[in-house]
Amino acid sequence: DQQVKQNSPSLSVQEGRISILNCDYTNSMFDYFLWYKKYPAEGPTFLISISSIKDKNEDGRFTVFLNKSAKHLSLHIVPSQPGDSAVYFCAASVRSGGSNYKLTFGKGTLLTVNP
Amino acid sequence: ETGVTQSPTHLIKTRGQQVTLRCSSQSGHNTVSWYQQALGQGPQFIFQYYREEENGRGNFPPRFSGLQFPNYSSELNVNALELDDSALYLCASRSEGQPGTYNEQFFGPGTRLTVL
Repeated sequence: DQQVKQNSPSLSVQEGRISILNCDYTNSMFDYFLWYKKYPAEGPTFLISISSIKDKNEDGRFTVFLNKSAKHLSLHIVPSQPGDSAVYFCAASVRSGGSNYKLTFGKGTLLTVNP
Repeated sequence: ETGVTQSPTHLIKTRGQQVTLRCSSQSGHNTVSWYQQALGQGPQFIFQYYREEENGRGNFPPRFSGLQFPNYSSELNVNALELDDSALYLCASRSEGQPGTYNEQFFGPGTRLTVL
């Protein structure tokens, strides 16, 4: 039973264009969402997060949108750069559950930004 | 500031053997979590340690066990290895902050375990 789903295994975009990565979740208890980026032979690197009390969070070229009613979030990268090519993981947690910050991850989306 | 480090980088074991993986937390971090990432999957939460005690566990059998030491470094032990245990094992550390705050987890590069 996958509670966090990334339905696109891969995405290819041109340099300078927008990349949109999508994520759906099923567990209504999730109240905190994160995006991680992973290069080969490295661990996941935290990118951006959003609390369930917000619907948008922006950090430079990265913006995360949350639609709670649809249980959907998306990561927008504008403009996309070749160095953004990596696997992007969506993750969720129940922050209000105390100190147990278990992250539930999706399967990831491989983003390729072509020069 | 030293990041999260893990050892060894790669490991090959045979079915039925036991393995110990090690993790050094990022400086100042007192909480460590372990994740298993099988090929083509996202990381799956194994357990978390805080103040040398397990305070959260995912859907993994008891043959997966761990330790956290006073210096906040950690070990993951897996007994009676099975072929399906082949995966990348990731350690993540964070600092347990004030109630209502959330400090992000920082991941190590992982240990690639192959069970033959």
